[in-house]
Amino acid sequence: DAGITQSPRHKVTETGTPVTLRCHQTENHRYMYWYRQDPGHGLRLIHYSYGVKDTDKGEVSDGYSVSRSKTEDFLLTLESATSSQTSVYFCAISELTSGRAVDNEQFFGPGTRLTVL
Amino acid sequence: DAKTTQPPSMDCAEGRAANLPCNHSTISGNEYVYWYRQIHSQGPQYIIHGLKNNETNEMASLIITEDRKSSTLILPHATLRDTAVYYCIVRAQTGANNLFFGTGTRLTVIP
Repeated sequence: DAGITQSPRHKVTETGTPVTLRCHQTENHRYMYWYRQDPGHGLRLIHYSYGVKDTDKGEVSDGYSVSRSKTEDFLLTLESATSSQTSVYFCAISELTSGRAVDNEQFFGPGTRLTVL
Repeated sequence: DAKTTQPPSMDCAEGRAANLPCNHSTISGNEYVYWYRQIHSQGPQYIIHGLKNNETNEMASLIITEDRKSSTLILPHATLRDTAVYYCIVRAQTGANNLFFGTGTRLTVIP
């Protein structure tokens, strides 16, 4: 299994509080992603990173920010959590192993279940 | 990226082949077909991908029609551990590496 860990694995917080989720990898992969998964929606991309300090928005980025100060860590921050951000959050990584982006499978972490009351 | 259509659920008897269909009628020439699966409460897992030729690996086979408008993922001998949600994803060769997941097919392997 790819070396991806997420912390915390479960968190319950209150509306309006800041929350930071951490994704840590030991694979030295260049690309990292944050997805959220909600019933009826599958997985949706929040933000992704294509290198240290290089990030971009995904499909559902409003209310979220990210940072990547080193290759192995990708942080997702909810500045002021809302109940609509209750979800399961997955981190993923990928690398340009063959030089073609299309050949690069994504490896997913175990997920973080976040509940905002 | 092109949209995909999958049946919401399917059953398969243990030991039999599971054939999971996917329609992607708007696929363009530079788009690949990917399959991932998600076992309950775990992160998605890559299975296989292809462009126009059929592909096979240790997990599954991918059959893509000649017009590329549909494909079938085949698990040759389904086991109880193959019970999962299977996602068919179409993605262009270039651009961001992000994947667009739909709601997938929930495959239940029955003893």
